[in-house]
Amino acid sequence: GAGVSQSPSNKVTEKGKDVELRCDPISGHTALYWYRQSLGQGLEFLIYFQGNSAPDKSGLPSDRFSAERTGGSVSTLTIQRTQQEDSAVYLCASSPEGLGGYEQYFGPGTRLTVT
Amino acid sequence: GQNIDQPTEMTATEGAIVQINCTYQTSGFNGLFWYQQHAGEAPTFLSYNVLDGLEEKGRFSSFLSRSKGYSYLLLKELQMKDSASYLCAVRDSNYQLIWGAGTKLIIKP
Repeated sequence: GAGVSQSPSNKVTEKGKDVELRCDPISGHTALYWYRQSLGQGLEFLIYFQGNSAPDKSGLPSDRFSAERTGGSVSTLTIQRTQQEDSAVYLCASSPEGLGGYEQYFGPGTRLTVT
Repeated sequence: GQNIDQPTEMTATEGAIVQINCTYQTSGFNGLFWYQQHAGEAPTFLSYNVLDGLEEKGRFSSFLSRSKGYSYLLLKELQMKDSASYLCAVRDSNYQLIWGAGTKLIIKP
């Protein structure tokens, strides 16, 4: 079956513009995660959805970042008034359940470059 | 605070064996994962340990000691395609994954 997909694969934007990143999880996966990864660094947790609700938003770096998930499926991560430090690869992952020993399946990521 | 420690980089020879260590200090423990990430690609799942001991899966094995807060990933019969970063992640008491920065493994012929 289809894996996790993300769009766009690459995004170049000017500082101060808003961007919207999209994630399509694996069908039936209830849990969805957003991460950020800077070059050569580990994964930085941003937000986690269980269904349409986000029990953990603790990783969002600032109030310029927001995310939503509709219909228990597609999720969008929005960054307002982008800054150069927002440049990174944004990874989305889904898993069958939020709790328990389930592995996360990652999408290919969106590479965001803020100029 | 919560902390996952892994070596930044390791080098090994094709055909050899390499062990990548991971030590952790987290608020609670509900399992440890190893992921492989090739350059420019997304991480892919390798192994999951929740009980002490060794889990073997082909050329890859993962070991866990909960009392020591320690795990290792053992890669045997190394191939050039094993050149990648290896990420250790621990699920804490809130069932959130805490990620290490990853170990970049370089395989030389």
